[in-house]
Amino acid sequence: AQKVTQAQTEISVVEKEDVTLDCVYETRDTTYYLFWYKQPPSGELVFLIRRNSFDEQNEISGRYSWNFQKSTSSFNFTITASQVVDSAVYFCALSNDYKLSFGAGTTVTVRA
Amino acid sequence: EAGVAQSPRYKIIEKRQSVAFWCNPISGHATLYWYQQILGQGPKLLIQFQNNGVVDDSQLPKDRFSAERLKGVDSTLKIQPAKLEDSAVYLCASSPDRGFMNTEAFFGQGTRLTVV
Repeated sequence: AQKVTQAQTEISVVEKEDVTLDCVYETRDTTYYLFWYKQPPSGELVFLIRRNSFDEQNEISGRYSWNFQKSTSSFNFTITASQVVDSAVYFCALSNDYKLSFGAGTTVTVRA
Repeated sequence: EAGVAQSPRYKIIEKRQSVAFWCNPISGHATLYWYQQILGQGPKLLIQFQNNGVVDDSQLPKDRFSAERLKGVDSTLKIQPAKLEDSAVYLCASSPDRGFMNTEAFFGQGTRLTVV
């Protein structure tokens, strides 16, 4: 069985603040893949990043960065210098290769 | 490249009525998924097709939900009869392969169903 927990339901910040979204996962598989998706008000899930279980390197893409730690089964996501356009629901997801399971999501509101 | 297309975008029906949703995946994508997203929750997989065969329908309420993917391209999800708890956004997604080793799932904008 696999499970994804996003403990933070909602986060509200003022523009230019940094925001970190927590994701903790459970799986018995040694090979697995972790994802982050963004869901803006339009409803479409937008892919942000995929990471496999053998690659623990942190990644930075513009204002986005991800911290993967197998020792704590966490895959956290940080938005640096947040902007109003970052307001959305963010989902962490886990796959054991063919089944993709999502967490409950964290709603991020960035106020101007 | 065109994305995953879904229709309708919105649907309101009375309980016990029937409803159908349509999905056209990205061209060439072998795998198609239907997810149910209840308000305030993450998407939950209902059914997964590989070409025109079902590979996972373990969470599909088969007494009222059905889905098909004729010719391995577009797909239809049907609910008959609908219940109030079926109110949700139904998301269709596709991916080139069955696994996620080298790819991700691409999602449509979803169909928002309200059962009254």
